Amino acid sequence: GESVGLHLPTLSVQEGDNSIINCAYSNSASDYFIWYKQESGKGPQFIIDIRSNMDKRQGQRVTVLLNKTVKHLSLQIAATQPGDSAVYFCAEKPGTYKYIFGTGTRLKVLA
Amino acid sequence: EPEVTQTPSHQVTQMGQEVILRCVPISNHLYFYWYRQILGQKVEFLVSFYNNEISEKSEIFDDQFSVERPDGSNFTLKIRSTKLEDSAMYFCASGGTSSSSETQYFGPGTRLLVL
Repeated sequence: GESVGLHLPTLSVQEGDNSIINCAYSNSASDYFIWYKQESGKGPQFIIDIRSNMDKRQGQRVTVLLNKTVKHLSLQIAATQPGDSAVYFCAEKPGTYKYIFGTGTRLKVLA
Repeated sequence: EPEVTQTPSHQVTQMGQEVILRCVPISNHLYFYWYRQILGQKVEFLVSFYNNEISEKSEIFDDQFSVERPDGSNFTLKIRSTKLEDSAMYFCASGGTSSSSETQYFGPGTRLLVL
Protein backbone atom coordinates (compact mmCIF):
# COMPACT_ATOMS: atom_id res chain seq x y z
CA GLY A 1 0.00 0.00 0.00
CA GLU A 2 0.96 3.58 -0.32
CA SER A 3 2.35 5.48 2.62
CA VAL A 4 0.68 8.38 4.29
CA GLY A 5 3.96 10.23 4.55
CA LEU A 6 4.44 12.72 7.34
CA HIS A 7 0.77 13.64 7.77
CA LEU A 8 -0.85 11.13 10.08
CA PRO A 9 -4.48 11.53 11.08
CA THR A 10 -4.50 13.15 14.51
CA LEU A 11 -6.95 12.75 17.34
CA SER A 12 -6.81 15.34 20.11
CA VAL A 13 -8.61 14.58 23.36
CA GLN A 14 -8.80 16.19 26.75
CA GLU A 15 -7.14 14.39 29.60
CA GLY A 16 -9.70 12.21 31.32
CA ASP A 17 -11.93 11.83 28.27
CA ASN A 18 -12.34 8.60 26.36
CA SER A 19 -10.53 8.13 23.04
CA ILE A 20 -11.68 6.11 20.07
CA ILE A 21 -9.17 5.30 17.36
CA ASN A 22 -10.37 3.65 14.18
CA CYS A 23 -8.76 1.40 11.64
CA ALA A 24 -9.99 -0.06 8.38
CA TYR A 25 -8.28 -3.29 7.45
CA SER A 26 -7.89 -4.61 3.98
CA ASN A 27 -8.06 -8.39 3.89
CA SER A 28 -11.29 -10.23 4.64
CA ALA A 29 -9.22 -13.37 5.29
CA SER A 30 -7.44 -11.77 8.25
CA ASP A 31 -8.20 -13.72 11.40
CA TYR A 32 -6.19 -11.95 14.04
CA PHE A 33 -5.60 -8.31 14.86
CA ILE A 34 -3.32 -6.35 17.15
CA TRP A 35 -3.26 -2.77 18.29
CA TYR A 36 0.16 -1.24 18.87
CA LYS A 37 1.27 1.99 20.49
CA GLN A 38 4.41 3.65 19.20
CA GLU A 39 6.13 6.45 21.04
CA SER A 40 8.65 8.63 19.28
CA GLY A 41 11.91 6.77 18.58
CA LYS A 42 10.66 3.49 19.99
CA GLY A 43 9.39 0.21 18.64
CA PRO A 44 5.68 -0.65 18.48
CA GLN A 45 4.37 -1.75 21.87
CA PHE A 46 1.66 -4.43 22.06
CA ILE A 47 -1.57 -3.14 23.58
CA ILE A 48 -4.33 -5.62 22.90
CA ASP A 49 -5.30 -8.27 20.39
CA ILE A 50 -8.48 -9.88 19.13
CA ARG A 51 -9.29 -12.93 17.06
CA SER A 52 -11.84 -12.85 14.26
CA ASN A 53 -14.25 -15.09 16.16
CA MET A 54 -14.76 -12.28 18.67
CA ASP A 55 -16.25 -8.82 18.27
CA LYS A 56 -15.06 -7.26 21.50
CA ARG A 57 -12.22 -7.68 23.91
CA GLN A 58 -11.38 -5.67 26.98
CA GLY A 59 -8.09 -5.00 28.66
CA GLN A 60 -7.02 -2.59 31.31
CA ARG A 61 -8.50 0.77 30.23
CA VAL A 62 -8.61 -0.41 26.61
CA THR A 63 -11.27 -2.12 24.55
CA VAL A 64 -10.97 -3.38 21.00
CA LEU A 65 -14.04 -3.75 18.80
CA LEU A 66 -14.07 -5.73 15.58
CA ASN A 67 -16.68 -5.40 12.84
CA LYS A 68 -15.90 -7.99 10.21
CA THR A 69 -18.82 -6.98 8.03
CA VAL A 70 -17.23 -3.64 7.21
CA LYS A 71 -13.63 -4.66 8.00
CA HIS A 72 -13.32 -2.15 10.78
CA LEU A 73 -11.40 -2.20 14.02
CA SER A 74 -11.48 0.33 16.82
CA LEU A 75 -9.49 0.94 19.97
CA GLN A 76 -11.18 2.64 22.88
CA ILE A 77 -9.05 4.12 25.63
CA ALA A 78 -10.87 5.05 28.80
CA ALA A 79 -9.87 8.06 30.87
CA THR A 80 -7.08 9.08 28.52
CA GLN A 81 -3.87 10.14 30.22
CA PRO A 82 -0.91 12.22 29.00
CA GLY A 83 1.15 9.03 28.80
CA ASP A 84 -1.26 7.73 26.17
CA SER A 85 0.04 10.29 23.67
CA ALA A 86 1.60 8.30 20.84
CA VAL A 87 0.92 6.93 17.38
CA TYR A 88 -1.43 3.95 17.36
CA PHE A 89 -1.32 1.29 14.66
CA CYS A 90 -3.58 -1.62 13.96
CA ALA A 91 -2.07 -4.72 12.41
CA GLU A 92 -3.90 -7.55 10.66
CA LYS A 93 -2.75 -11.10 10.08
CA PRO A 94 -3.97 -12.36 6.72
CA GLY A 95 -1.86 -15.49 6.77
CA THR A 96 0.27 -17.55 9.03
CA TYR A 97 3.51 -15.65 8.88
CA LYS A 98 2.78 -12.05 8.03
CA TYR A 99 1.27 -8.91 9.55
CA ILE A 100 0.09 -5.86 7.67
CA PHE A 101 0.13 -2.53 9.48
CA GLY A 102 -2.25 0.35 9.05
CA THR A 103 -1.05 3.89 8.53
CA GLY A 104 -1.46 4.95 12.15
CA THR A 105 -3.26 7.65 14.11
CA ARG A 106 -1.51 10.17 16.29
CA LEU A 107 -3.22 10.64 19.66
CA LYS A 108 -2.59 13.93 21.43
CA VAL A 109 -3.77 14.27 24.99
CA LEU A 110 -4.48 17.83 26.04
CA ALA A 111 -3.96 18.77 29.66
CA GLU B 1 9.60 -9.30 31.72
CA PRO B 2 11.42 -10.75 28.70
CA GLU B 3 11.87 -8.45 25.74
CA VAL B 4 13.30 -8.37 22.26
CA THR B 5 16.65 -6.60 22.06
CA GLN B 6 18.40 -5.16 19.02
CA THR B 7 21.91 -3.93 18.28
CA PRO B 8 23.18 -1.49 17.31
CA SER B 9 20.66 1.19 18.15
CA HIS B 10 22.07 3.39 15.38
CA GLN B 11 24.15 2.54 12.32
CA VAL B 12 25.59 4.92 9.76
CA THR B 13 27.07 3.42 6.61
CA GLN B 14 28.22 4.38 3.16
CA MET B 15 26.16 3.41 0.14
CA GLY B 16 27.27 0.07 -1.22
CA GLN B 17 28.51 -1.22 2.13
CA GLU B 18 27.18 -4.30 3.86
CA VAL B 19 25.39 -4.01 7.19
CA ILE B 20 24.26 -6.62 9.65
CA LEU B 21 21.52 -5.81 12.10
CA ARG B 22 21.23 -8.04 15.12
CA CYS B 23 18.32 -9.13 17.24
CA VAL B 24 17.85 -11.37 20.24
CA PRO B 25 14.25 -12.57 20.25
CA ILE B 26 12.34 -13.63 23.34
CA SER B 27 13.71 -17.02 24.24
CA ASN B 28 10.69 -19.31 23.93
CA HIS B 29 9.34 -17.71 20.77
CA LEU B 30 9.29 -19.65 17.54
CA TYR B 31 8.50 -17.01 14.93
CA PHE B 32 10.79 -14.14 14.03
CA TYR B 33 10.21 -11.11 11.88
CA TRP B 34 11.94 -8.11 10.41
CA TYR B 35 10.08 -4.91 9.61
CA ARG B 36 11.20 -1.51 8.49
CA GLN B 37 9.75 1.93 8.99
CA ILE B 38 10.85 4.81 6.83
CA LEU B 39 10.64 8.09 8.73
CA GLY B 40 7.05 9.19 9.14
CA GLN B 41 5.61 6.18 7.35
CA LYS B 42 3.94 2.99 8.42
CA VAL B 43 5.63 -0.18 9.52
CA GLU B 44 6.33 -2.47 6.55
CA PHE B 45 6.74 -6.23 6.72
CA LEU B 46 10.02 -7.54 5.32
CA VAL B 47 10.32 -11.20 6.23
CA SER B 48 9.22 -13.90 8.63
CA PHE B 49 11.30 -16.85 9.78
CA TYR B 50 10.16 -20.09 11.34
CA ASN B 51 11.79 -23.44 11.85
CA ASN B 52 15.11 -22.15 10.52
CA GLU B 53 13.80 -20.98 7.21
CA ILE B 54 12.06 -18.04 5.63
CA SER B 55 8.30 -18.45 5.87
CA GLU B 56 7.24 -15.42 3.92
CA LYS B 57 8.86 -12.33 2.47
CA SER B 58 7.64 -9.12 0.96
CA GLU B 59 8.61 -7.62 -2.37
CA ILE B 60 10.92 -5.26 -0.48
CA PHE B 61 13.01 -8.24 0.62
CA ASP B 62 14.99 -8.71 -2.56
CA ASP B 63 18.31 -10.47 -3.17
CA GLN B 64 20.18 -7.76 -1.28
CA PHE B 65 18.58 -8.92 1.97
CA SER B 66 19.16 -12.09 3.90
CA VAL B 67 18.32 -13.39 7.35
CA GLU B 68 20.00 -15.88 9.56
CA ARG B 69 19.68 -17.46 12.96
CA PRO B 70 23.29 -18.46 13.42
CA ASP B 71 23.38 -19.74 16.97
CA GLY B 72 19.88 -20.39 18.25
CA SER B 73 19.57 -17.06 20.01
CA ASN B 74 20.53 -14.29 17.58
CA PHE B 75 18.49 -13.38 14.53
CA THR B 76 20.23 -11.21 11.96
CA LEU B 77 19.27 -9.15 8.94
CA LYS B 78 22.00 -8.54 6.40
CA ILE B 79 21.84 -5.95 3.65
CA ARG B 80 24.60 -6.76 1.19
CA SER B 81 24.99 -3.49 -0.67
CA THR B 82 23.09 -0.68 0.96
CA LYS B 83 21.24 1.95 -1.01
CA LEU B 84 20.18 5.41 0.08
CA GLU B 85 16.57 4.25 0.20
CA ASP B 86 17.44 1.59 2.76
CA SER B 87 17.66 4.34 5.37
CA ALA B 88 14.94 3.52 7.90
CA MET B 89 14.24 2.10 11.33
CA TYR B 90 14.51 -1.66 11.27
CA PHE B 91 12.49 -3.56 13.82
CA CYS B 92 12.85 -7.14 14.82
CA ALA B 93 9.86 -8.91 16.31
CA SER B 94 9.27 -12.32 17.78
CA GLY B 95 6.17 -14.20 18.72
CA GLY B 96 4.40 -17.48 18.93
CA THR B 97 4.97 -20.40 21.21
CA SER B 98 4.16 -24.04 20.78
CA SER B 99 0.58 -23.31 21.89
CA SER B 100 -0.07 -20.13 19.95
CA SER B 101 1.37 -18.78 16.74
CA GLU B 102 -0.06 -15.31 17.10
CA THR B 103 1.07 -12.20 18.92
CA GLN B 104 4.36 -10.56 18.24
CA TYR B 105 6.53 -8.30 20.31
CA PHE B 106 8.85 -5.71 18.85
CA GLY B 107 12.36 -4.71 19.71
CA PRO B 108 13.40 -1.05 20.07
CA GLY B 109 14.73 -0.89 16.52
CA THR B 110 17.95 -0.01 14.75
CA ARG B 111 18.08 3.30 12.97
CA LEU B 112 20.03 2.83 9.74
CA LEU B 113 21.32 5.82 7.85
CA VAL B 114 22.88 5.25 4.44
CA LEU B 115 25.01 8.12 3.13
